[in-house]
Amino acid sequence: EDKVVQSPLSLVVHEGDTVTLNCSYEVTNFRSLLWYKQEKKAPTFLFMLTSSGIEKKSGRLSSILDKKELSSILNITATQTGDSAIYLCAVAPINTGTASKLTFGTGTRLQVTL
Amino acid sequence: DAGVTQSPTHLIKTRGQQVTLRCSPISGHKSVSWYQQVLGQGPQFIFQYYEKEERGRGNFPDRFSARQFPNYSSELNVNALLLGDSALYLCASSLQGHWPQHFGDGTRLSIL
Repeated sequence: EDKVVQSPLSLVVHEGDTVTLNCSYEVTNFRSLLWYKQEKKAPTFLFMLTSSGIEKKSGRLSSILDKKELSSILNITATQTGDSAIYLCAVAPINTGTASKLTFGTGTRLQVTL
Repeated sequence: DAGVTQSPTHLIKTRGQQVTLRCSPISGHKSVSWYQQVLGQGPQFIFQYYEKEERGRGNFPDRFSARQFPNYSSELNVNALLLGDSALYLCASSLQGHWPQHFGDGTRLSIL
């Protein structure tokens, strides 16, 4: 069974700090790893990493996929209070047939304080 | 463009009742997936539908069922509700075979 483990479970930092969130996975027929941000309701898409795109960056957020270690990190620099959220890591298998299933970790709850 | 829309936003039911949740995907998306998110956990896959057919099923009992309509909207039905069914139910849509999936705001289901 596919498995995703995130660490830490929760984190409290001061505004301006840099944080690193971790995700490790075990999945059959790995295709991609996705990061989502969940504030109150809908998880919103941040990044997708694949074998052909192992590093992504958008503003203060960046992510790297380590295919050898079966893991990924999400970095947030110069954190702001608006970064407070749950960050979810998910893996997607190669579509066998037409199924499209994401397996999620439990998430990392990030709180940024003034 | 409108995102994924779900209704209702909140729902309170009692044990043993039945519930129907609704989802409209992003325009042009033909694949709809349902997830259950229990408090403190990540979303867990329930179903995926494409072209009105079930294409994937997670480890949920037969009390859970779903269907997809010709306009690609979808319904999730849960019968004989249990206290443990209390959760946020998320719908996600995507182009079939493509990532990422885009999520709606969910339906918060509370069972008393």
